[in-house]
Amino acid sequence: DTGVSQDPRHKITKRGQNVTFRCDPISEHNRLYWYRQTLGQGPEFLTYFQNEAQLEKSRLLSDRFSAERPKGSFSTLEIQRTEQGDSAMYLCASITWSPPTRGGYTFGSGTRLTVV
Amino acid sequence: GIQVEQSPPDLILQEGANSTLRCNFSDSVNNLQWFHQNPWGQLINLFYIPSGTKQNGRLSATTVATERYSLLYISSSQTTDSGVYFCAAGGGADGLTFGKGTHLIIQP
Repeated sequence: DTGVSQDPRHKITKRGQNVTFRCDPISEHNRLYWYRQTLGQGPEFLTYFQNEAQLEKSRLLSDRFSAERPKGSFSTLEIQRTEQGDSAMYLCASITWSPPTRGGYTFGSGTRLTVV
Repeated sequence: GIQVEQSPPDLILQEGANSTLRCNFSDSVNNLQWFHQNPWGQLINLFYIPSGTKQNGRLSATTVATERYSLLYISSSQTTDSGVYFCAAGGGADGLTFGKGTHLIIQP
């Protein structure tokens, strides 16, 4: 168990470019979440997957944001046509959630995006 | 959606002191978690505690679901306890709503 891995750790991009982030969850966890955290705020929920199924995506911030988890293992979060307001820390978390087994999140270290 | 409020927003203590952090939530929840975000930004899960009381070393937490609040207790504070403490609440395995956090500074 190597924890939740996120790549890259930092990304600087020019406004208008597309970016993609990757998250590798803990292998035995069945749910994967994406959050965004801006300076001085708590994380904000974006979307989540159970295995390869995306169960909630209405909280994605705009249609420029999309996420995939094609084989139920790693996930990607893509932002198209980036804007300066997209600058934030993007966090991934995973859990085991198969009632009666429930648990707390394990977060990755995040990807810090800066749009210039 | 659920609203989560944390208090106090800031807390400065001397090493060895005890503290109580509070989290109020606006609706019934069946998922309540406490996290510590260290100065390097890493979020560490402290407790999954939708109800009842749990203890882990110098930290303990109590959630009174019927009254919609949770408390995090830190005893004998150490400088490594510094950081931001977040409470997050929600329904089951759906996405959680985080509060704005309590920024804790422990001075030597």
